[in-house]
Amino acid sequence: SQQGEEDPQALSIQEGENATMNCSYKTSINNLQWYRQNSGRGLVHLILIRSNEREKHSGRLRVTLDTSKKSSSLLITASRAADTASYFCATAGGETSGSRLTFGEGTQLTVNP
Amino acid sequence: DSGVTQTPKHLITATGQRVTLRCSPRSGDLSVYWYQQSLDQGLQFLIQYYNGEERAKGNILERFSAQQFPDLHSELNLSSLELGDSALYFCASSFGLAKTEQFFGPGTRLTVL
Repeated sequence: SQQGEEDPQALSIQEGENATMNCSYKTSINNLQWYRQNSGRGLVHLILIRSNEREKHSGRLRVTLDTSKKSSSLLITASRAADTASYFCATAGGETSGSRLTFGEGTQLTVNP
Repeated sequence: DSGVTQTPKHLITATGQRVTLRCSPRSGDLSVYWYQQSLDQGLQFLIQYYNGEERAKGNILERFSAQQFPDLHSELNLSSLELGDSALYFCASSFGLAKTEQFFGPGTRLTVL
């Protein structure tokens, strides 16, 4: 079963706009990671945020983590048509769950030129 | 390019058959993970190997098995295939056992007819 739920399931914006995707999870985590998947292709690692971090930046990406609410958000600023893809959050859990990743259901982002 | 390679890219077979999917991790990575992505179940963790030994098991069916060889490449064996086994199978690798980024291969698309 999926650990997380992503919101929205689909998002359509114009080039240059910002895109925000949210992820909620259920159990305690060690870290949360965001991945991008172009249609039917492999997953590309975007960013990892640890449970003791609240915000992280990488280029046009900004990730926040609120462990009290068990939620995270991914913000893509100044979006481009090439950002069109599915975005997944994945959690790595506590001691007993090893280093496996538990994925959310993903947000399909479409950036219109 | 993540550095993780998977073969074959596509596999079409019939129900009841057996197939083997192959994965080569990034150079220096000791952990290999297998994930299944299907429309109804999403992305699910199957199994993890570290330096040749099984470390964690997810919702892997008894008809499925895997191993990691001394050269660290891994194989996922799927037998008595059913229509519902049609999915994308991903291999990922990471350096150690710590909860860090996992780097995904391009996947093998399995179609069972």
